[in-house]
Amino acid sequence: QQQVKQSPQSLIVQKGGISIINCAYENTAFDYFPWYQQFPGKGPALLIAIRPDVSEKKEGRFTISFNKSAKQFSLHIMDSQPGDSATYFCAASWYTSGTYKYIFGTGTRLKVLA
Amino acid sequence: GAVVSQHPSWVICKSGTSVKIECRSLDFQATTMFWYRQFPKQSLMLMATSNEGSKATYEQGVEKDKFLINHASLTLSTLTVTSAHPEDSSFYICSARLAGATDTQYFGPGTRLTVL
Repeated sequence: QQQVKQSPQSLIVQKGGISIINCAYENTAFDYFPWYQQFPGKGPALLIAIRPDVSEKKEGRFTISFNKSAKQFSLHIMDSQPGDSATYFCAASWYTSGTYKYIFGTGTRLKVLA
Repeated sequence: GAVVSQHPSWVICKSGTSVKIECRSLDFQATTMFWYRQFPKQSLMLMATSNEGSKATYEQGVEKDKFLINHASLTLSTLTVTSAHPEDSSFYICSARLAGATDTQYFGPGTRLTVL
């Protein structure tokens, strides 16, 4: 149950296109869903996050769509740019053992072609 | 804001030696810090949760005597890899959660450990 399934594993998109990454979960105790961007050799950087009482959140070119009934959420990157080429991780947070912990998805390697 | 630093950024050591990695929250207080391990092209795996002033909580399968964690202040947590072996070579990343906040973790830049 403590899993977040992420797809696709890798994604190639043309410059200006839309990149879509999907995640699914089982545990209804998850109550916070962040997305992180990671460049090689660097730590993850928070992109955008959503709570299950909201169906969509947009920040600039990044949008999270959340489907609570289906237990799925996705990241949409509009007008994808070569600089967006990185690995993207979804995560889910839940309260356990006196603190909030994350479980990460397996990651999606995005390559945006110039 | 919410900047987390790690030191060193990379370290090479001989097998059998111990290595200490520092994680600092630069502009906020963090009651909780987390240590993750990441193998090449893989996801982040939580190793332990570190609370200021108390013992760390380790995830299943993580040897607490091998990976010593100390969270001495609200801005500093350290991870010591004791008697390091080549299989301990990995990318170690810490994160910090703002005191009083709930969910968001801010990650450090990571430390690349290579054990020869």
